[in-house]
Amino acid sequence: DAGVIQSPRHEVTEMGQEVTLRCKPISGHDYLFWYRQTMMRGLELLIYFNNNVPIDDSGMPEDRFSAKMPNASFSTLKIQPSEPRDSAVYFCASSLARGMFGYTFGSGTRLTVV
Amino acid sequence: GQQLNQSPQSMFIQEGEDVSMNCTSSSIFNTWLWYKQEPGEGPVLLIALYKAGELTSNGRLTAQFGITRKDSFLNISASIPSDVGIYFCAGLPSNSNSGYALNFGKGTSLLVTP
Repeated sequence: DAGVIQSPRHEVTEMGQEVTLRCKPISGHDYLFWYRQTMMRGLELLIYFNNNVPIDDSGMPEDRFSAKMPNASFSTLKIQPSEPRDSAVYFCASSLARGMFGYTFGSGTRLTVV
Repeated sequence: GQQLNQSPQSMFIQEGEDVSMNCTSSSIFNTWLWYKQEPGEGPVLLIALYKAGELTSNGRLTAQFGITRKDSFLNISASIPSDVGIYFCAGLPSNSNSGYALNFGKGTSLLVTP
């Protein structure tokens, strides 16, 4: 299994631009999570899906953030418009069964907004 | 989510020394997990614990699920340079209102000198 695949690995964009991060979960995993990691706040849950349906998006910072999961093998996290404070590493993770067996994380997307 | 307090925040040790770190919560957890993150990568699951009092080993790593269900411990014996990284605890709260997402500690940064 190739694991959770995220793209791009690095993204540098100008303030105000739209950014789209992509994730392919492990086949058969029915939960997908988006996390943001910063030095100050650690790993923060943004949103998670179960069977492609958003379950909890209370961690999404504001309306500039949106996430979709059109099918079981693909999810996107979009920021529009981007701001410098959005600079962080964004991780996608997938799991079976409520995360009891742990999540498998992707390698992350390092986003820099200048 | 429920806040996890992880300590120490960082450790700087010599190769061969043993390492101990812990994680506490104000509420009861059903599952405790320990992850390791290396630079430029996502966290990787090391050990999963499912029952109070459970003690589980993975090579030189040993983790325990506290009997109060509010804490967990990770020990690394005879540390080696490749143990360098950030170690995260994570837990699945027993409170049904908290949903199905893992809560993460802020990590313990481990540096090992040869």
